[in-house]
Amino acid sequence: EAQVTQNPRYLITVTGKKLTVTCSQNMNHEYMSWYRQDPGLGLRQIYYSMNVEVTDKGDVPEGYKVSRKEKRNFPLILESPSPNQTSLYFCASSSGQTQYFGPGTRLLVL
Amino acid sequence: AQSVTQLDSQVPVFEEAPVELRCNYSSSVSVYLFWYVQYPNQGLQLLLKYLSGSTLVKGINGFEAEFNKSQTSFHLRKPSVHISDTAEYFCAVSGAGTYKYIFGTGTRLKVLA
Repeated sequence: EAQVTQNPRYLITVTGKKLTVTCSQNMNHEYMSWYRQDPGLGLRQIYYSMNVEVTDKGDVPEGYKVSRKEKRNFPLILESPSPNQTSLYFCASSSGQTQYFGPGTRLLVL
Repeated sequence: AQSVTQLDSQVPVFEEAPVELRCNYSSSVSVYLFWYVQYPNQGLQLLLKYLSGSTLVKGINGFEAEFNKSQTSFHLRKPSVHISDTAEYFCAVSGAGTYKYIFGTGTRLKVLA
């Protein structure tokens, strides 16, 4: 089944403790992206990747890092999480202009 | 740069009634336009997209949208809604040839029995 998977689905952590949210797609898509969703703000793009080793900033990249060493994986790294990064995070991969979204990762930073 | 405005944060409508969810955008370049639906506790699913060509776009679940360049709008419509259409709907824009997507703040559609 064609899908985008994210892990973990739920995470509670403390300020400053580095964490990684994994994203993997099995559709051989070149384009992948990370978003955060906050009430009243919709989805905001954090980072995107056009292909392996090619990434660029979205609208809200501060406090996040990404890497794209393999086509199928696009992990999101929070080196020193802060409470304002509490949010619902979505990974997506794209074929042409159709994005396929993962199920989301709900993060709480205390 | 692009921006998207969804004018209505919530839209209640009775079952079998028509509905229109409004979306306006701004951009200095040609755009691609999208509508996504998010059911409770799920990810987003593409309803329809406008890339070029016919300005009336038909999508899944009986939804359609019309691209109006002069009014910079891309309103979503359905002639008769069902309870199962209750969800949050997001309009999104991407500059043609770019990889950046801008989403609106969403419209919660509540279909009432």
